[in-house]
Amino acid sequence: DTEVTQTPKHLVMGMTNKKSLKCEQHMGHRAMYWYKQKAKKPPELMFVYSYEKLSINESVPSRFSPECPNSSLLNLHLHALQPEDSALYLCASSLNTEAFFGQGTRLTVV
Amino acid sequence: SQQGEEDPQALSIQEGENATMNCSYKTSINNLQWYRQNSGRGLVHLILIRSNEREKHSGRLRVTLDTSKKSSSLLITASRAADTASYFCATDIGADGLTFGKGTHLIIQP
Repeated sequence: DTEVTQTPKHLVMGMTNKKSLKCEQHMGHRAMYWYKQKAKKPPELMFVYSYEKLSINESVPSRFSPECPNSSLLNLHLHALQPEDSALYLCASSLNTEAFFGQGTRLTVV
Repeated sequence: SQQGEEDPQALSIQEGENATMNCSYKTSINNLQWYRQNSGRGLVHLILIRSNEREKHSGRLRVTLDTSKKSSSLLITASRAADTASYFCATDIGADGLTFGKGTHLIIQP
């Protein structure tokens, strides 16, 4: 199994909603990542988990809250988002250098 | 922050022609990777070249790395319509996560 699975594929949420993005991999990778990608831009790193511990937070606003319940799962909890947070959110995992990406969640904040 | 700059930002060629994309980066690296993204979905790893390598081949892909100029190029030979996608270089400077270049959007005309 060389897949990273992200759910949901699409999400529309209001600015007062609370929602969660989910990511799952069963490749035994100990590093997992969240990236944000705006249209026609490259992915930008948000968070890095290494061995289930948050190791990097790239100055992301607190309305984004990551969680790593176990070595296979990564969540991104969303609360009080702004319309400018609308983007493609990508999860990735890696063992050494090559990163495996999920298909992303297309988030629209209304 | 972005590490790499790609050029051209967009490239349109005829099927069967070769496509060359360039990437420049700013800091010392352990390796440089190229990824492909179709229609704003997940990224797929194409090839990795280490800092002590100068050239690498994989199928129709050829990657070069010039660490003295902090630049890399990706050549796709005998292009096909299915090669239409965005291509990103990414650097790994030893810390967790990847830093992506701005990307080249490649269109292969049938």
